[in-house]
Amino acid sequence: AQSVTQPDIHITVSEGASLELRCNYSYGATPYLFWYVQSPGQGLQLLLKYFSGDTLVQGIKGFEAEFKRSQSSFNLRKPSVHWSDAAEYFCAVGAQDAGNMLTFGGGTRLMVKP
Amino acid sequence: EADIYQTPRYLVIGTGKKITLECSQTMGHDKMYWYQQDPGMELHLIHYSYGVNSTEKGDLSSESTVSRIRTEHFPLTLESARPSHTSQYLCASSVHRGLGNEQFFGPGTRLTVL
Repeated sequence: AQSVTQPDIHITVSEGASLELRCNYSYGATPYLFWYVQSPGQGLQLLLKYFSGDTLVQGIKGFEAEFKRSQSSFNLRKPSVHWSDAAEYFCAVGAQDAGNMLTFGGGTRLMVKP
Repeated sequence: EADIYQTPRYLVIGTGKKITLECSQTMGHDKMYWYQQDPGMELHLIHYSYGVNSTEKGDLSSESTVSRIRTEHFPLTLESARPSHTSQYLCASSVHRGLGNEQFFGPGTRLTVL
């Protein structure tokens, strides 16, 4: 079975600073990896996904993530954070042998200081 | 923009009442899901469906039930609400065939049982 760990429960960055949110997964084969963002009281919105091919994936809102098989990681990055990026971020892993079901990490809450 | 809708968005109800949370999607997706999410916490899958007349229980045991009579509609019912059912309920859908398919989420229903 697959699993996902987001080591950082809370992160605070200053507006304009760079951001990296960590995600580590456990899965025996090639995973499908996703990053979602959730604003307060809202559902989840897909930021980006990795399926195959180029290990650096570009997403919406200026986010990118890099798949590193050797480290079992899929960290999310943004070069310059905006106040509107404050939200909860969830990493998820999908597996073909699990009917493409997604397993979500515990989430990282991002706070942005002015 | 994903076309998946949930009603009501907020519901406050007394103990013992029967409630139905509605979820509809207009994307023609075969797979639909219900997740339970406590504030600031991870998502737990409670029900899913592969298509019409298919329903399965998820990883987290739930006293709720679901039905899938039409492709676009996946309601969740609690026969007798209790305070322990207080949570946010998120509905999602995805394409069934193929690989690496993301799930599209509705805005959620925040349920409070008094």
